[in-house]
Amino acid sequence: EVQLVESGGGLVQPGGSLKLSCAASGFSFSGSAMHWVRQASGKGLEWVGRIRSKANNYATAYTASVKGRFTISRDDSKNTAYLQMNSLKTEDTAVYYCIGGYCGSTSCYSYWGQGTLVTVSS
Amino acid sequence: DIVMTQSPDSLAVSLGERATVNCKSSQSVLYSSNNQNYLAWYQQKPGQPPKLLIYWASTRESGVPDRFSGSGSGTDFTLTISSLQAEDVAVYYCQQYYSTPYSFGQGTKLEIK
Repeated sequence: EVQLVESGGGLVQPGGSLKLSCAASGFSFSGSAMHWVRQASGKGLEWVGRIRSKANNYATAYTASVKGRFTISRDDSKNTAYLQMNSLKTEDTAVYYCIGGYCGSTSCYSYWGQGTLVTVSS
Repeated sequence: DIVMTQSPDSLAVSLGERATVNCKSSQSVLYSSNNQNYLAWYQQKPGQPPKLLIYWASTRESGVPDRFSGSGSGTDFTLTISSLQAEDVAVYYCQQYYSTPYSFGQGTKLEIK
């Protein structure tokens, strides 16, 4: 059974930092790209960023609004991905989802966690 | 960056009737080397994470009912539910994975008329 479990969310003051973790099981973690997507309450989905697999040099990419503040990393030995969030702003308040994804020549998969809530407020 | 625009923002359809959601990208998401459209559709029900329905614009994910279908190429795409069921009430999103940032459409809320 595929499982992705996010943790580390909570309340943080503006300007503060938080590190989210995503523990994965049931699929090829090391072969997958790991993405983070967020969703503010009552709003749509926003892609935050991704880290590719070792075969793709662990390449990272981010949306413009978090570039320079957020960092995605992974530990394939622990089947865990991370989202380090610094210099947090009130507009970063959202549920953060972790996604394991892969697209090959004939098929794709996209496995989502249940999400963890990050609230940035004074 | 590629901007994804869905229409309509909300839609009310009678049970058993056809529902159609449109998605337009600001530039083509067709990758010429493999002739694939890098376009996915997701379904999100209240209190749940999104669920992948369709990828490569028209390939159904395993286990997705065949009343769901995707079509289109280049910049214009459509998600069709051929006969709406009560459990299809949800918000539907398209997403391009052609180039980063992998942007989503704003979502289309589907309700029962």
